Amino acid sequence: EVQLLESGGGLVQPGGSLRLSCAASGFMFSSYVMSWVRQAPGKGLECVSSITGNGGNTHYADSVKGRFTISRDHSRNTVTLQMNSLTAEDTAVYFCAKGILNSVIVAGNYFDDWGQGTLVTVSS
Amino acid sequence: DIQMTQSPSSLAASVGDRVSITCRASQSISGYLNWYQQKPGKAPRLLIYITSSLQSGVPSRFSGSGSGTDFTLTISSLQPEDFATYYCQQTYTSSWTFGQGTKVEIK
Repeated sequence: EVQLLESGGGLVQPGGSLRLSCAASGFMFSSYVMSWVRQAPGKGLECVSSITGNGGNTHYADSVKGRFTISRDHSRNTVTLQMNSLTAEDTAVYFCAKGILNSVIVAGNYFDDWGQGTLVTVSS
Repeated sequence: DIQMTQSPSSLAASVGDRVSITCRASQSISGYLNWYQQKPGKAPRLLIYITSSLQSGVPSRFSGSGSGTDFTLTISSLQPEDFATYYCQQTYTSSWTFGQGTKVEIK
């Protein structure tokens, strides 16, 4: 059974940093794209970052480019999202999601498994 | 980025009703359109991928159709557990984008 468990959320001041982690199990970790999808309170879904199975290719939404960094650790089967220069607009629940294809370029990917989410609140 | 627009934003329906939700892309996405269901406080759940393929475990009352820029999610007979918010998502380009969501409420 696939399990994705996010951690690291919390309250942070504007301009601060936070590091989210997603612990994955139940599948061949290195064979799938992993993504972070966020949802601001009462709003829709936004895919903020994705990384291929070997970590060689990444993608970022324009809204976080230059501030967020995605990485993965194959020894611990974890995906990490380092978030810097946070603003109130980054306040959201952040979900970790597994893509069915191991590519951020090839069309046709979709998220077949999701974590339960971790809440990030940016406020003074 | 490709913009995804869902309609309606919300709808009220009764158990047993046939419900359709539309998703329109700002450019052709060649069928690379997925549908998710989300209930309050929960993660999204994949229902349909690549326009019309039903995800394993999803009831057959859910179906998807469309091509080019226009896509539809249909629930043939609405059940109590189907009251939720539905999102479309395109994965044609590297910037995967979602529609704004359609909330299905009880009439």
